[in-house]
Amino acid sequence: DAKTTQPNSMESNEEEPVHLPCNHSTISGTDYIHWYRQLPSQGPEYVIHGLTSNVNNRMASLAIAEDRKSSTLILHRATLRDAAVYYCILRRGDYKLSFGAGTTVTVRA
Amino acid sequence: EAQVTQNPRYLITVTGKKLTVTCSQNMNHEYMSWYRQDPGLGLRQIYYSMNVEVTDKGDVPEGYKVSRKEKRNFPLILESPSPNQTSLYFCASSLDRGPYNEQFFGPGTRLTVL
Repeated sequence: DAKTTQPNSMESNEEEPVHLPCNHSTISGTDYIHWYRQLPSQGPEYVIHGLTSNVNNRMASLAIAEDRKSSTLILHRATLRDAAVYYCILRRGDYKLSFGAGTTVTVRA
Repeated sequence: EAQVTQNPRYLITVTGKKLTVTCSQNMNHEYMSWYRQDPGLGLRQIYYSMNVEVTDKGDVPEGYKVSRKEKRNFPLILESPSPNQTSLYFCASSLDRGPYNEQFFGPGTRLTVL
């Protein structure tokens, strides 16, 4: 399975943008890049996914490098409710999600 | 409301006493799976099901059983629980196994085996 590398933690101030990097240098052409987050005491929650082009939804934006070896999840205006562990995951059309350690995001009021 | 539900949410039991954790989804999803989450080990898949009567092992299936008799339900069975199965368990579902589909997770079941 292709692996992803994320920083262990990041801090942000409330209402400021947060840029979460993810390296996936062994990504294959058919791998989709997914982001999930897990709030304290909750199950993981889907955030966004993409294949080649940048993607936007109501929660976040996903910027994918041209060579697809890295991507960045962008939370445009962090709120206290965005404090969570964020996971960057590659999916190929198999049956599972392989979660790494993720990035713990702390938002300061 | 589209959701995945799990019951019970918390369970304390003793070694060897059979238990079942139920999982149900109301989205007519074909694909369902079970994960366990342990500190330092992240989320690991136990079993998955691609449709009714079709189940297969994930990364850590030992000590667990599953069944998929109906599309909406995917119970996790521990025939003889042991303390190393103390963990936080999540059920998830998605429309199908396509890599572009999001998975919906339940709220989790915290199991303690004494």
